[in-house]
Amino acid sequence: DAGVIQSPRHEVTEMGQEVTLRCKPISGHDYLFWYRQTMMRGLELLIYFNNNVPIDDSGMPEDRFSAKMPNASFSTLKIQPSEPRDSAVYFCASSFLTGLAGVRTGELFFGEGSRLTVL
Amino acid sequence: AQTVTQSQPEMSVQEAETVTLSCTYDTSENNYYLFWYKQPPSRQMILVIRQEAYKQQNATENRFSVNFQKAAKSFSLKISDSQLGDTAMYFCAFMKRIQGGSEKLVFGKGTKLTVNP
Repeated sequence: DAGVIQSPRHEVTEMGQEVTLRCKPISGHDYLFWYRQTMMRGLELLIYFNNNVPIDDSGMPEDRFSAKMPNASFSTLKIQPSEPRDSAVYFCASSFLTGLAGVRTGELFFGEGSRLTVL
Repeated sequence: AQTVTQSQPEMSVQEAETVTLSCTYDTSENNYYLFWYKQPPSRQMILVIRQEAYKQQNATENRFSVNFQKAAKSFSLKISDSQLGDTAMYFCAFMKRIQGGSEKLVFGKGTKLTVNP
């Protein structure tokens, strides 16, 4: 399996520009998470989906951030307009249902992250 | 809300020695998972070890083991025979366990571990 695939790996943009980060989860995984990592705040959950439906978006910082999951194999995180304080590493992760009882193991599989720099 | 605290921002250990990373958490839940993730310089988060709260036996994975103290809400990671490749950020994480679903993973701030030759 190729693992969780994120693009781009690095993005440098100017303040005010639109940024789109992309994620392809592991095939068969039905949960997808977007996390942001900064030195100051550590790893923060932005939003997560179950079967392409957003479950909890309480971590999305403000209206400039939006996330979509149009199908089971693709998700985007968009920032419009971008600001310097959005500079961070953005991680996508996926997980899957295991066992007949429907109880998850809880493990998240992470992509390599997208490093965003907003000048 | 659950919180995870890692009180050691940085640690170092000599190659082949043993090191223990600390983690405490706060929750009112009874059923949950605890994890240690490793983030090497390559940046990708890798699961090191997982513990289910209802299991009394401490989890082990080769050189990695945990000391899970549920009453004290403590979950430390012991790395035996440290290797240079163990150099990384280590994150402790908590997830509430629910039937038929998933909850978010809550991370601590991390401990930067350096293994010295």
